[in-house]
Amino acid sequence: AQTVTQSQPEMSVQEAETVTLSCTYDTSESDYYLFWYKQPPSRQMILVIRQEAYKQQNATENRFSVNFQKAAKSFSLKISDSQLGDAAMYFCAYRRENFGNEKLTFGTGTRLTIIP
Amino acid sequence: NAGVMQNPRHLVRRRGQEARLRCSPMKGHSHVYWYRQLPEEGLKFMVYLQKENIIDESGMPKERFSAEFPKEGPSILRIQQVVRGDSAAYFCASSPVQETEAFFGQGTRLTVV
Repeated sequence: AQTVTQSQPEMSVQEAETVTLSCTYDTSESDYYLFWYKQPPSRQMILVIRQEAYKQQNATENRFSVNFQKAAKSFSLKISDSQLGDAAMYFCAYRRENFGNEKLTFGTGTRLTIIP
Repeated sequence: NAGVMQNPRHLVRRRGQEARLRCSPMKGHSHVYWYRQLPEEGLKFMVYLQKENIIDESGMPKERFSAEFPKEGPSILRIQQVVRGDSAAYFCASSPVQETEAFFGQGTRLTVV
């Protein structure tokens, strides 16, 4: 079974600084997707960034980028120029590629605090 | 195009009552997933449905829980004879066919008193 591990329950960063959230996963599959979701106090799950395992290039979305190390099964999220609105729970998630829809497996989350 | 709609947002039930949680997927989405989030934990998969079919219910507790996604109307997650341990946030997500991204609703927070 696939597992996703987030070893940092809490992180904090000064506003405008850079922070990296860690995620490791375990799978025997070769084709899959990895995601980072943000969950603010409103509870809404917001997709931050997505990475296809077959792509060597790391995904980037504005201030958010990932460091995807397939051999190490590592998928960290870097947030640059942190803003107060980035404060939230961040969840790493895995999804197997199965020619269609598949369930997501989530990590336990990292609570990110932004220090003004 | 409205997002995934879940209702109610908050639901309080006494032990032994039934809870019915509703999820209306985004227009054009025929796949629905239900997840449960216990306090201070990540989301755990419960069940995956397509119209009128349960595709994967490997995360559903064996008793008291059921789900459906009828041809017409919202998907329903039903919890019979609720217990305190059922208190959690229940999220629904939907996606169109053959798509990688699932869109989440805002969840229903169930409190059992």
